[in-house]
Amino acid sequence: QVQLKESGPGLVQPSQTLSLTCTVSGFSLMDYSVHWVRQPPGKGLEWMGRMKYDGDTYYNSALKSRLSISRDTSKSQVFLKMNSLQTEDTAIYYCTRADYGPFAYWGQGTLVTVSS
Amino acid sequence: DIVLTQSPVLAVSLGQRATISCRASQSVSISSINLMHWYQQKPGQQPKLLIYRASNLASGIPARFSGSGSGTDFTLTIDPVQADDIAAYYCQQSRESPPTFGGGTKLELK
Repeated sequence: QVQLKESGPGLVQPSQTLSLTCTVSGFSLMDYSVHWVRQPPGKGLEWMGRMKYDGDTYYNSALKSRLSISRDTSKSQVFLKMNSLQTEDTAIYYCTRADYGPFAYWGQGTLVTVSS
Repeated sequence: DIVLTQSPVLAVSLGQRATISCRASQSVSISSINLMHWYQQKPGQQPKLLIYRASNLASGIPARFSGSGSGTDFTLTIDPVQADDIAAYYCQQSRESPPTFGGGTKLELK
């Protein structure tokens, strides 16, 4: 069955770089796009960026200068890197599979706290 | 970017109908295809797809959920509301990149 799972550090210091991994199973990264979505505590969902099935990337313009998404298809992993983290980047980070529009499958999310 | 606007809170009684609206800043429809989707999110859980392309029920979703609308105005209806439906609901468009979400509507009990 389709599964996505986020992993990474729970705590990041201000100004440092966040690195997250989304490990997928049940489908190929060459068949579906994987997106990153985050949610600050008590707030709504913010789309961050995506790795398309053909390897193309696209980013939220507000995050573009700090964000990079890559993948390793052999390991079924998609990576998120975001630099210059601030307290407002504290959020639950989700990876999700796009089924030609809607996000049908989501990881459980990983909470990232930015604090010294 | 396409902005999606939802009312923040809707109070409803159990057994009654809940109507949650989402308005887009521009049309999210292409011909007869309405590229608007709805999600439910309970506290501590990831979002769950309820409705895709405005009116199609996602797999395993109860028939008391339904969606309608086209162009810029869309509605998610829950009828009748059950206790398990108390959650936040988000609309999302895939008409244009970047995909965007509404701010969410928190369904509360009256």
